Amino acid sequence: SQTIHQWPATLVQPVGSPLSLECTVEGTSNPNLYWYRQAAGRGLQLLFYSVGIGQISSEVPQNLSASRPQDRQFILSSKKLLLSDSGFYLCAWSEDGGTDTQYFGPGTRLTVL
Amino acid sequence: AQSVAQPEDQVNVAEGNPLTVKCTYSVSGNPYLFWYVQYPNRGLQFLLKYITGDNLVKGSYGFEAEFNKSQTSFHLKKPSALVSDSALYFCAVRDMWGNNRLAFGKGNQVVVIP
Repeated sequence: SQTIHQWPATLVQPVGSPLSLECTVEGTSNPNLYWYRQAAGRGLQLLFYSVGIGQISSEVPQNLSASRPQDRQFILSSKKLLLSDSGFYLCAWSEDGGTDTQYFGPGTRLTVL
Repeated sequence: AQSVAQPEDQVNVAEGNPLTVKCTYSVSGNPYLFWYVQYPNRGLQFLLKYITGDNLVKGSYGFEAEFNKSQTSFHLKKPSALVSDSALYFCAVRDMWGNNRLAFGKGNQVVVIP
């Protein structure tokens, strides 16, 4: 069966520091991968999605970037964090060519101080 | 572009009573519709989906949802709510054209009162 991992689970970072969040999927190949941010107001915002290695689509211009160095690895990064980057970051995957049911990881709680 | 409306911020229901969480959608062509549940500080869990076929879809934990094309709705239902059903519920839609994007509603907080 497929599983999705995210780490770290929680992170507290100062403004201006770099960021690297990692997401990995097991038990499937060539998945579509997604990064979402959930702010305190509960809504989900799609940040990036990827249909393959090195293929990244950005949904919202921002202080963040994403990379997919391996088939089942998706990384969210920032060079300099802003206060507004605080939130709950969720990674998700879906089958390539399927009905696109997305399955979510456990999330990373990021607090920028 | 596709969109979802979940008109109620919070739904309160007594334990044992029927639970309904409302969702209406807007999409070009036939929709693919999804319901997810989120417990505090956890990721979203998939409950059920409608792609085609029977308008009544059964999912996990006793939940079901009814697709109504004329009303563009996909309401989530459970015949008898449990205290453990207290959580945040999200409706989502994507179009049938292979668009990778899901449009999520803002979520409904469900509170089941013992």
